[in-house]
Amino acid sequence: GNSVTQMEGPVTLSEEAFLTINCTYTATGYPSLFWYVQYPGEGLQLLLKATKADDKGSNKGFEATYRKETTSFHLEKGSVQVSDSAVYFCALITGANNLFFGTGTRLTVIP
Amino acid sequence: EAGVTQFPSHSVIEKGQTVTLRCDPISGHDNLYWYRRVMGKEIKFLLHFVKESKQDESGMPNNRFLAERTGGTYSTLKVQPAELEDSGVYFCASSQELRGSEQYFGPGTRLTVT
Repeated sequence: GNSVTQMEGPVTLSEEAFLTINCTYTATGYPSLFWYVQYPGEGLQLLLKATKADDKGSNKGFEATYRKETTSFHLEKGSVQVSDSAVYFCALITGANNLFFGTGTRLTVIP
Repeated sequence: EAGVTQFPSHSVIEKGQTVTLRCDPISGHDNLYWYRRVMGKEIKFLLHFVKESKQDESGMPNNRFLAERTGGTYSTLKVQPAELEDSGVYFCASSQELRGSEQYFGPGTRLTVT
């Protein structure tokens, strides 16, 4: 079946620190992979995506590379800001059109 | 362009009562999805509409949940009767095309059953 395992939170970092949130997946077929972000009081927003192996998704300074050999899609950012404080969800989609999500990782960035 | 909207934002009901959640997708989006996040767990798929038809309802937990999308516009999700384990955040999403297109999410409805 399909599933996503993501790093347990919460994660607290100082401003300008390096961020990694781990995500691994199990999937039938060839999934597309996503990172969604939920800022306080808002809905989920697509942060970045990758549709095939070795693709790198990037947006707002965040990056994630689709690693088929390790079934991973880790989220990274070189220098976090207070405004990056949010909950981050790793997700995949396969032939069916519904998303499979991880449990979410809450990030808090302190000045 | 207005995004996906959900109403109410928060609902507190007692066990055994009925609650109806509403989702208004982005105008012109044929695909509408319901998801649920139970406290601290992953967001799980409930069902998928294409226009007014249920394309996939494999994630609906039991027959206390009834989803409708009359006329292929807004959708409602009714829980009757509500149980404690139904508490969580219910998200709605919509998309324009079927395969590969981005799903746009609403802010969610937080349901608390006491």
